[in-house]
Amino acid sequence: AQRVTQPEKLLSVFKGAPVELKCNYSYSGSPELFWYVQYSRQRLQLLLRHISRESIKGFTADLNKGETSFHLKKPFAQEEDSAMYYCALSFDRGSTLGRLYFGRGTQLTVWP
Amino acid sequence: DTAVSQTPKYLVTQMGNDKSIKCEQNLGHDTMYWYKQDSKKFLKIMFSYNNKELIINETVPNRFSPKSPDKAHLNLHINSLELGDSAVYFCASSQVGANYGYTFGSGTRLTVV
Repeated sequence: AQRVTQPEKLLSVFKGAPVELKCNYSYSGSPELFWYVQYSRQRLQLLLRHISRESIKGFTADLNKGETSFHLKKPFAQEEDSAMYYCALSFDRGSTLGRLYFGRGTQLTVWP
Repeated sequence: DTAVSQTPKYLVTQMGNDKSIKCEQNLGHDTMYWYKQDSKKFLKIMFSYNNKELIINETVPNRFSPKSPDKAHLNLHINSLELGDSAVYFCASSQVGANYGYTFGSGTRLTVV
């Protein structure tokens, strides 16, 4: 079953424009949600965890349990934000404790 | 110091060969993983070990065999390589229950010709 959905495979914006990368999940419990970023030919890096409620590189993400969403937002995109972004979910109990389920990723391109 | 290190970074080999990829983490994490990233950048979990014990074994051909000599190492051995095995393989580690997410290695780009 698809637990994490990223509906946009590709997303392009111009520099300075706002950007929102969508992520929806299916889980009735209390998930832990993450955003990972992969710059060209590099390793995946943790960008945000919802429990820390932090802003990294200008990106924020709010967990909306009613809409089961965890969209990633940035008010002013920069060219260096161009990368592949993965939304991921972890359950908080059971045999899958600690396992991350990844969405299919959204390739963000920021044009100059 | 690199937290999760994989070797080799690139691997080009012929069909039918056997190859291994090594992974080591120095974070003191208790769980390690292997992920396969295909040409469409989709990440699929293959295996997970917790304290040297196999806990996740997805639908992976039995030509793939993970080995964990200790909790800091998780190696991946692949027998009889096929063209479809070409992908980037990522190792990762985490501390179960800590919910800090994963720390990934830099990946091994495997090309089977």
